[in-house]
Amino acid sequence: GEDVEQSLFLSVREGDSSVINCTYTDSSSTYLYWYKQEPGAGLQLLTYIFSNMDMKQDQRLTVLLNKKDKHLSLRIADTQTGDSAIYFCAEKPSGTYKYIFGTGTRLKVLA
Amino acid sequence: DADVTQTPRNRITKTGKRIMLECSQTKGHDRMYWYRQDPGLGLQLIYYSFDVKDINKGEISDGYSVSRQAQAKFSLSLESAIPNQTALYFCATSDFAGNEQFFGPGTRLTVL
Repeated sequence: GEDVEQSLFLSVREGDSSVINCTYTDSSSTYLYWYKQEPGAGLQLLTYIFSNMDMKQDQRLTVLLNKKDKHLSLRIADTQTGDSAIYFCAEKPSGTYKYIFGTGTRLKVLA
Repeated sequence: DADVTQTPRNRITKTGKRIMLECSQTKGHDRMYWYRQDPGLGLQLIYYSFDVKDINKGEISDGYSVSRQAQAKFSLSLESAIPNQTALYFCATSDFAGNEQFFGPGTRLTVL
């Protein structure tokens, strides 16, 4: 069945790197996404990666994709207190309208 | 100004009441979506609309109905609210290709 899995919580110290992991199920997914949700706000698209890529870097964010294992990760370098939020992984299977979201990982950054 | 707006932002209602949540967008997108978010469950799709005349049920449409009044407006109704519909509701839009969704700020609904 369709299931995107993420761990629920991650705690890191300010200045350290954070790595948020996700496993997805549909190997046909063309796009894989990372969204950020701050308290009281909607989901904000952080970055996405095409399935034909292994890695995408955007300033402090690095996305790694392992298609064989259906594993997606988001690395945040030099994590700041403003990065504290819930991070959602999502996949969009090819040829469908559907986005399948994970449960979200709550990142807490300790000063 | 925000591209996707939702009203109200917070609502408390009683069991059995009818309630409507509204969504407006200025992005000019054809596609609009309603999601529900429950703690630890991620987002679940309630309804989606590809244009004014095309409305489709999502994964959890029971107990909900929608109306696409115009390209820019998509409303979600709970005909007779029940406590397990207490959740955070998000509207989203995407262009025709549908490869990127833009979310509204959410409506927190509490049904007593």
